[in-house]
Amino acid sequence: QKEVEQNSGPLSVPEGAIASLNCTYSDRVSQSFFWYRQYSGKSPELIMSIYSNGDKEDGRFTAQLNKASQYVSLLIRDSQPSDSATYLCAVNRGGTSYGKLTFGQGTILTVHP
Amino acid sequence: EAGVAQSPRYKIIEKRQSVAFWCNPISGHATLYWYQQILGQGPKLLIQFQNNGVVDDSQLPKDRFSAERLKGVDSTLKIQPAKLEDSAVYLCASRGQGSSYEQYFGPGTRLTVT
Repeated sequence: QKEVEQNSGPLSVPEGAIASLNCTYSDRVSQSFFWYRQYSGKSPELIMSIYSNGDKEDGRFTAQLNKASQYVSLLIRDSQPSDSATYLCAVNRGGTSYGKLTFGQGTILTVHP
Repeated sequence: EAGVAQSPRYKIIEKRQSVAFWCNPISGHATLYWYQQILGQGPKLLIQFQNNGVVDDSQLPKDRFSAERLKGVDSTLKIQPAKLEDSAVYLCASRGQGSSYEQYFGPGTRLTVT
């Protein structure tokens, strides 16, 4: 079982729709969760971080965390073509890991006009 | 605030040659990470520094890869000798002090080994 799993996609949604990206993790002691956006040929860019169960909203982005189910998701409302990118889920187990992140393989999102 | 700087941006070498990558983290960031990202995959941690000390190099192929951060600021990652499977993007990231584990990435170096 991979430590962090994402559907590789591609996920295709029409402009204006809600895009839903999912991620599961295997280490139950994981404490911090991140979503990065990576445009083709560019480096990952941090867009959301979440540390406690529930929802966290930032503009059109909402991160959802359920530690009991070991599940974290990212919702993008009013999707725009500029949101087309690969979205990477990353997990930190805390403690003495010094912030080490384990990444999923990424989900390719395409928003079509 | 300046971001993470990396150089070179692109490098093409032949197998068995050596190559070095340089990274300068965000000012004041004590923790520095080197990742390898193969096309179609997520970044994989190679080595992690806290100031000038290594805290995790469990996934670094030590027979050919080496890294240093002598003064606790900038860092160099070296591959010698390179193999075809080393073709990837090498990403440097840094993190500040405190309980937040947010990491910020540099632009990366795209390595092609022929």
